[in-house]
Amino acid sequence: GQSLEQPSEVTAVEGAIVQINCTYQTSGFYGLSWYQQHDGGAPTFLSYNALDGLEETGRFSSFLSRSDSYGYLLLQELQMKDSASYFCAVTYSSASKIIFGSGTRLSIRP
Amino acid sequence: DSGVTQTPKHLITATGQRVTLRCSPRSGDLSVYWYQQSLDQGLQFLIQYYNGEERAKGNILERFSAQQFPDLHSELNLSSLELGDSALYFCASSITGLAGDETQYFGPGTRLLVL
Repeated sequence: GQSLEQPSEVTAVEGAIVQINCTYQTSGFYGLSWYQQHDGGAPTFLSYNALDGLEETGRFSSFLSRSDSYGYLLLQELQMKDSASYFCAVTYSSASKIIFGSGTRLSIRP
Repeated sequence: DSGVTQTPKHLITATGQRVTLRCSPRSGDLSVYWYQQSLDQGLQFLIQYYNGEERAKGNILERFSAQQFPDLHSELNLSSLELGDSALYFCASSITGLAGDETQYFGPGTRLLVL
């Protein structure tokens, strides 16, 4: 079937770097997106990878490797406000499906 | 503020009842998406509309239906409600929704509690 897997929880220290992985068992999608969701809030778009490689947006970077069925979100210079859940998602070529991973809860400690 | 509005913010109802959730997309966006997020769960895509027409369907139950009106606002109708329908329902919008690389802008959500 089509699924995306992410670690359920990750803990990191303020100022450090953390990588959140997303592995998938699917094909034929446009690309991989990442969303951030704070507790009680709405998801907000972070990044999108249509092609293999690294996309950088400020402190956040996202990577996709279609050959390895793998992607990740890299957060640098972690701040307490980065404590949130992070979701990867794929949108299919036909746009008939949008599938989200179950999310990774990132906790930042001082 | 994403520019997407949803009403009501909270809704409490009983099993067997019917409710309507409303969404107004960002100005200029033609596509609207509906998602369900249960407690501690990821987002489940329900349905997408583009300029008034249904474009894509996800895991939407037959008890649920949606539509997008000429002014582009959308409504999600949930009927014969069950306890398991209690969840946060998000609406999102994007410019066209025709390409996989479009950013979706999410509304604040409607929290539904079925008792």
